[in-house]
Amino acid sequence: EVQLVESGGGLVQPGGSLRLSCAASRFTFNNYWMTWVRQAPGKGPEWVASIKQDGSEKFYVDSVKGRFTISRDNAKKSLFLQMNSLRVEDTAIYYCARDGGGWAFDIWGQGTMVTVSS
Amino acid sequence: QSVLTQPPSVSEAPRQRVTISCSGTSSNIGNKGVKWYQQLPGKAPKLLIYNDDLLPSGVSDRFSGSKSGTAASLAISGLQSEDEADYYCAAWDDSLNGVVFGGGTKLTVL
Repeated sequence: EVQLVESGGGLVQPGGSLRLSCAASRFTFNNYWMTWVRQAPGKGPEWVASIKQDGSEKFYVDSVKGRFTISRDNAKKSLFLQMNSLRVEDTAIYYCARDGGGWAFDIWGQGTMVTVSS
Repeated sequence: QSVLTQPPSVSEAPRQRVTISCSGTSSNIGNKGVKWYQQLPGKAPKLLIYNDDLLPSGVSDRFSGSKSGTAASLAISGLQSEDEADYYCAAWDDSLNGVVFGGGTKLTVL
């Protein structure tokens, strides 16, 4: 079964850092754009960042530009999100998702919770 | 305030048909393919519709999508209790250079 599994979430203080990981299995990882989407408690999904197959193009939502960095390791079939200068409003479940084409996210992980609080 | 506008809630009886609307602009829905996602409680979103009206493999044909100008709709026919969920539209936005989601619509099957 095609699968994405996130890890790395947790509780962090405002201004802190966290690195999320997403392990892909049973599909050709380097054929796809990959994306992070987050969902704050009780809110709808919010697209965070996307990265091209070879890592040469990246897009970010304005609210995380300069603080978050998306990256990937195709040899290890892994996606990452380095989050620095975290804010309370970054508190959310973070999902990694596969872009099946045309920004249609066809495979999602189970999510990892990030809580930013003092 | 979401870029794409959806009604907060809709409700309908079992076996009936319901539609959920999604309103955008020429920067997103007007020129880009619309996606619809279903999110069951405590679960990750699931892709239901892509490119305005196409169904991914394995999605029931009770779901259908349409688009006219800067507005899109999701229709669900033969409503079942298992369809109770939150539904979100999404599209790429050329002005924001990113994907935007609607605020979501909670479907209640009466």
